[in-house]
Amino acid sequence: QQPVQSPQAVILREGEDAVINCSSSKALYSVHWYRQKHGEAPVFLMILLKGGEQKGHDKISASFNEKKQQSSLYLTASQLSYSGTYFCGTEYAENAGGTSYGKLTFGQGTILTVHP
Amino acid sequence: EAQVTQNPRYLITVTGKKLTVTCSQNMNHEYMSWYRQDPGLGLRQIYYSMNVEVTDKGDVPEGYKVSRKEKRNFPLILESPSPNQTSLYFCASISLAAPYEQYFGPGTRLTVT
Repeated sequence: QQPVQSPQAVILREGEDAVINCSSSKALYSVHWYRQKHGEAPVFLMILLKGGEQKGHDKISASFNEKKQQSSLYLTASQLSYSGTYFCGTEYAENAGGTSYGKLTFGQGTILTVHP
Repeated sequence: EAQVTQNPRYLITVTGKKLTVTCSQNMNHEYMSWYRQDPGLGLRQIYYSMNVEVTDKGDVPEGYKVSRKEKRNFPLILESPSPNQTSLYFCASISLAAPYEQYFGPGTRLTVT
């Protein structure tokens, strides 16, 4: 069962902030975030592990709420280069073994457009 | 330079003609995976491998085979391709230790007629 991302699309002006959510109906072990530009391969942004802390990458950070089985990606002071499709990949707790990765299931993606 | 290579990048083939898409990584990552990406369906995992000789099914394994005889290589085999396997395929490798790097190959666009 696919995690659900919201919103499906967001349009920003440069400098504005955005939040993208990834929700699961099943217990999560890890959440992975990616950005993909049109015609290119996905690029890994960060991973959040169960019991881990909020991560950050320049002005992009993420959190993992284990109780709600939800992760949020925060983009602050957006830049034109942030435009693309963001999607989450989830590893369910039932698949996880120790610190190993397992089966990954992906959200449908959120299209982010940043205008000057 | 960290790299995941895939070959071929583009392939047009006919139904039933066996093909192999190669994937190789130079980072000594334990975990490798194959995905397909289709409009409206997003990215879906086909097979993954935790290490040499260890492979497991993802969400859409039907019609595909994989092998992991060496750590760096993870080929995807379509023994009898069908038109519904027309898609964009990505290979990826993942480090299982911090900082948990992940890299994708450039993609293989496959068309089966």
